[in-house]
Amino acid sequence: QVQLVQSGAEVKKPGSSVKVSCKASGGTFSSYAISWVRQAPGQGLEWMGGIIPIFGTANYAQKFQGRVTITADKSTSTAYMELSSLRSEDTAVYYCARGPFSIGRGTNYYYYYMDVWGKGTTVTVSS
Amino acid sequence: EIVLTQSPGTLSLSPGERATLSCRASQSVSSSYLAWYQQKPGQAPRLLIYGASSRATGIPDRFSGSGSGTDFTLTISRLEPEDFAVYYCQQYGSSPLFGPGTKVDIK
Repeated sequence: QVQLVQSGAEVKKPGSSVKVSCKASGGTFSSYAISWVRQAPGQGLEWMGGIIPIFGTANYAQKFQGRVTITADKSTSTAYMELSSLRSEDTAVYYCARGPFSIGRGTNYYYYYMDVWGKGTTVTVSS
Repeated sequence: EIVLTQSPGTLSLSPGERATLSCRASQSVSSSYLAWYQQKPGQAPRLLIYGASSRATGIPDRFSGSGSGTDFTLTISRLEPEDFAVYYCQQYGSSPLFGPGTKVDIK
């Protein structure tokens, strides 16, 4: 049974960057999509972007384009999400999640449901 | 751009009652590419339903999903104490989208 193990909580200054990791253990990593979803305090779920590790191609939500970078290391079954130019509104719990995908047009992939989730990483942005 | 709307915002019910949660899309959702999740405080979301009506592994059969096009429904036939939580719908896509959620709380 695959588990996604995320890195620990982070406290960052405004304007800095944060990099969160997500390591898959006990199951297949490369043949699924890995998405990053965040949840601000008391708010709903927001998809930030995802990656297909087997292809190494990432897709990003328009809101985060230019500020988020998602990568994956197949050799260690680990995905990473780096968010830059942090502001207080980025304070949230960041989840990685695994799910199936299909190939869309060009380098776009179609992300389906998310059936395995990490426990989340709390990122606090405060001066 | 598709917008997902969930109603009601909060549903107050008693254990044993039936819960009916709605998810409406501003445009038709192709091939019933819609999922439902349950989230309890301090926990990650849990997949309940995918493909609008297929239960995920290990999900009790009191949870059912239905609908197509723009209107989807999650039904919990008889609420158990552990079912009081927030429920989100999610549309598949190149940029997946979540609805704002429905909170099911104890009346």
